[in-house]
Amino acid sequence: AQKITQTQPGMFVQEKEAVTLDCTYDTSDQSYGLFWYKQPSSGEMIFLIYQGSYDEQNATEGRYSLNFQKARKSANLVISASQLGDSAMYFCAMSPLGGGGNKLTFGTGTQLKVEL
Amino acid sequence: EPEVTQTPSHQVTQMGQEVILRCVPISNHLYFYWYRQILGQKVEFLVSFYNNEISEKSEIFDDQFSVERPDGSNFTLKIRSTKLEDSAMYFCASSETVMNTGELFFGEGSRLTVL
Repeated sequence: AQKITQTQPGMFVQEKEAVTLDCTYDTSDQSYGLFWYKQPSSGEMIFLIYQGSYDEQNATEGRYSLNFQKARKSANLVISASQLGDSAMYFCAMSPLGGGGNKLTFGTGTQLKVEL
Repeated sequence: EPEVTQTPSHQVTQMGQEVILRCVPISNHLYFYWYRQILGQKVEFLVSFYNNEISEKSEIFDDQFSVERPDGSNFTLKIRSTKLEDSAMYFCASSETVMNTGELFFGEGSRLTVL
């Protein structure tokens, strides 16, 4: 079984500042993938970034980076230079690797509010 | 850019009625999924579908739920007799590969309200 924990129900950040959204996970799988999704108030789920457990380097996608610390079982999302449009709910998720497809287990989410 | 499309965007139904939610996955994708998000709660896996059959389902996906791909393009979720607790946003998703090494593409969701 897999479990994702997001301990920050809400976060505030000033525009143009960086923010870190925390995510810890628990799994007995040897290989797994870690994801972050953004959910604006309109409701759709937008993929942000992916990290494989076998990847030695942290994933980056534009202003998003994933701070992967395997020994600590953490996969924090870092958003640099926050913009007003970054205000949304952010979900951390994980999935086992190994041919089973993308059965994602999600965390409870962090509501991010970017302020002027 | 290819996308997953879902219809309807919002459906209101009476308890006990049947509901069909429709999805058109991205055309070259092989795996299809339904997820559910009850208002204010986390997103939960319902079912995955590959090669015209269910590959995995959660405990939420009981006998009231069914999925099918009737015509090679649409992917549907049927709820036979809706309950109040079925009220949620239902997300369809698809992925290209068998191995999970990248993005799962979600649709914009279908909001179901059961009265």
